[in-house]
Amino acid sequence: EAGVAQSPRYKIIEKRQSVAFWCNPISGHATLYWYQQILGQGPKLLIQFQNNGVVDDSQLPKDRFSAERLKGVDSTLKIQPAKLEDSAVYLCASRQTSGTPYEQYFGPGTRLTVT
Amino acid sequence: SQQGEEDPQALSIQEGENATMNCSYKTSINNLQWYRQNSGRGLVHLILIRSNEREKHSGRLRVTLDTSKKSSSLLITASRAADTASYFCATALYGNNRLAFGKGNQVVVIP
Repeated sequence: EAGVAQSPRYKIIEKRQSVAFWCNPISGHATLYWYQQILGQGPKLLIQFQNNGVVDDSQLPKDRFSAERLKGVDSTLKIQPAKLEDSAVYLCASRQTSGTPYEQYFGPGTRLTVT
Repeated sequence: SQQGEEDPQALSIQEGENATMNCSYKTSINNLQWYRQNSGRGLVHLILIRSNEREKHSGRLRVTLDTSKKSSSLLITASRAADTASYFCATALYGNNRLAFGKGNQVVVIP
């Protein structure tokens, strides 16, 4: 079974620029998550999708972050404009709706550096 | 918001020794999960323990959960160099599968 795919793996941008990250979850996984992991900390949930609908975006800084999952499969997370404190690894994860209910499968992440 | 907190933060052990790390949380949970993260394989699920369970084993891993103390421990027996990684506990509340991660334990296993 193919894992969660993310691209790009690394991105360096200047503050105030825009950036987008892409995620393709495991086939058949209805639930998709985006996490932000700052160096030395655990991942923090930004947004959760169930199919193409948003379930939880309470921790998403909506003034600059946006995410979509239009067809209920792959997803894009965007930051516009970026700030220095957005430097982090952005992780995408997915989960089955049935079967093992709670395990999340993570992608390799995108390491963002904002200069 | 609820969050797991691991203790200790960093651990260095010799290969073959056991490694124990702890996690505490603040509110009632549905389940608690442990994940491992290293540069080679990203974040990987290790084991899940439900709130009505007290102990669970998976290979060389043993996890305990004490809901009265709101704490969990992860024991890795007979450690190997490949166990070198950061270990995170994550808690899930009833009604959703939103995970709250702790800050992680850095474990270094010296060959």
